[in-house]
Parts: sequence; structure tokens; C-alpha cells
Amino acid sequence: EAQVTQNPRYLITVTGKKLTVTCSQNMNHEYMSWYRQDPGLGLRQIYYSMNVEVTDKGDVPEGYKVSRKEKRNFPLILESPSPNQTSLYFCASSLRGSRYGYTFGSGTRLTVV
Amino acid sequence: GESVGLHLPTLSVQEGDNSIINCAYSNSASDYFIWYKQESGKGPQFIIDIRSNMDKRQGQRVTVLLNKTVKHLSLQIAATQPGDSAVYFCAENINTDKLIFGTGTRLQVFP
Repeated sequence: EAQVTQNPRYLITVTGKKLTVTCSQNMNHEYMSWYRQDPGLGLRQIYYSMNVEVTDKGDVPEGYKVSRKEKRNFPLILESPSPNQTSLYFCASSLRGSRYGYTFGSGTRLTVV
Repeated sequence: GESVGLHLPTLSVQEGDNSIINCAYSNSASDYFIWYKQESGKGPQFIIDIRSNMDKRQGQRVTVLLNKTVKHLSLQIAATQPGDSAVYFCAENINTDKLIFGTGTRLQVFP
């Protein structure tokens, strides 16, 4: 089944403790992206990647890192999480870019206390 | 399920009626638009898209209308069913790398 898989689904962590949210797609998509979703603000792009080893900032990149060492994986790294990063996170992939529409993962609910 | 918006605009319709969800987009240079459906606890799911050289596109039970003059997009759902209950987002493509999402509309279907 073609899908985007995120892990974990739920995570509660403490301020400053590094964490990684994994994202993997099995559709051989070139483009991958991370979004956060907050009430009243909709989906905001954090980082995106056009292909292996090619990443760029989205609208809200502060406090996040990403890497794209393999085509299928696009992990989101929070080096020192803070409470304002409490949010619902979505990974998405697309064949080539936003003009081809996205397939989204099921989301990761992160709480930073 | 996950709460994606505590104070979203809400459209309530009776089962079997038609639903119209509206969206105003921001950039006159946008050339590609998508509607997504997000059910509780799930990620957004592609419904239908339209390119700026069109003003209407139909899918199964759904129709998207694009009015570039007033920068307005609408999603029409025919014969709305309980399974259509969800939050609906429009998104506009600003360039090849970026989709801008609206804040969403909650559709509630009652019997």
C-alpha cells in the first residue's frame, strides 16, 4: 500500500531533550515536506526536500533540523525542544513538488513540557 | 481523535443535501489549487485539484469551482453523507515548492 509512515504517533517529552520524528514513504517520491498544524493557524511548512541531500526552509524552520540521506526517509529533528513546539506534525510526500499534490502521513502529536 | 481547530468556521448540513465550502486565496499568481479532507485523527487526504487555466472540475460527488477574478475557490459536495464529516482545507500553489493552506472549514452532517 502506498503510504507515508510517521513515528511515533504520540510523544510527550521534556524541554531540551533531543528527539527525532521519523518519516518514510514507499512511493519513490522525490519531494518530501514537514508541516505543523496548530489551532487557528492551519498547516505551516517547516522544511522541505526536493531530493536526496537537497533541503530548504519553509515558513517556520526555527528550532528544527532535517536530513535527506535516502530518498524514502525524511526525519525531523528537534535538538532542544521547547513548549512552543507542542503541536501536531505531518510529513508529506509528492512525486516531484507541490504541483502534484501531497500524500500525508497520519501525524505525530508532540507535547513538550 | 485529534483536534485540528477549536474555532473553525463550521458548516452544518443535513444528510442528502448538497454542501458548498468556500475559500478565499491570497495570491493572484497562484496557478494550482487543491482541496483536502481531514478526518479526526488522520492526516489530510487529497480530494480534488484544479489548475488556473480551468474554472470548474468535477470528480465523484465533488466539484471545484475557481473564480480567479475574485480569488475564490469553492468545493461542492453532492448528496452529503455522514462520512463526509471532516475538516476541509483549500491549498494554493505559489511556486513549484510551496503549498499554502487555508485554516479550514468543519463540515458537520446530521441525519
